[in-house]
Amino acid sequence: DSGVTQTPKHLITATGQRVTLRCSPRSGDLSVYWYQQSLDQGLQFLIQYYNGEERAKGNILERFSAQQFPDLHSELNLSSLELGDSALYFCASSAQTGYNSPLHFGNGTRLTVT
Amino acid sequence: GQQVMQIPQYQHVQEGEDFTTYCNSSTTLSNIQWYKQRPGGHPVFLIQLVKSGEVKKQKRLTFQFGEAKKNSSLHITATQTTDVGTYFCAGIKAAGNKLTFGGGTRVLVKP
Repeated sequence: DSGVTQTPKHLITATGQRVTLRCSPRSGDLSVYWYQQSLDQGLQFLIQYYNGEERAKGNILERFSAQQFPDLHSELNLSSLELGDSALYFCASSAQTGYNSPLHFGNGTRLTVT
Repeated sequence: GQQVMQIPQYQHVQEGEDFTTYCNSSTTLSNIQWYKQRPGGHPVFLIQLVKSGEVKKQKRLTFQFGEAKKNSSLHITATQTTDVGTYFCAGIKAAGNKLTFGGGTRVLVKP
């Protein structure tokens, strides 16, 4: 158990809809990262937050947004969903803002857009 | 932008044999991390390499960071069925702020 909690585990929704994915980092970790993994593909970095502030941005679509709350949990909002958004979305946390500490991944949320 | 390439994409290994997977970056890296993702699971951190030419071992796994800090390798000896999974390298370029993952090497073990 990595200590990172993601909900829900599975999400099935229709095109054009909006969903929210939630992540609670490991106790004490201030950084939260979001990654997208399409079927049998690598991990695409979306966005990173540190202690409530955005720190780095990857290939995140304008239809996607995220935030980190004062209690350090994070939410990833996906809107105007398209079939191609179907993927496994991972949240990871680390103790620091830099990359000298390892990332601890949650179990992911599998999103299916129909 | 920074690219991290892994080869091979797939590795079919006979149980008991050795194999190596390689990770190559288009830019010099400040450090490199390796993760393993079991089928249906999430990536799990294995190790981090920071120094040029660094070599670290974890039981049957040997990790190496290239002298130029642009490539890395993972060598597994006497492969076991428990080694099945996808191995990802991830690097951050010097003075960078994004951890870029390679595409992974999917390892299949034949008993």
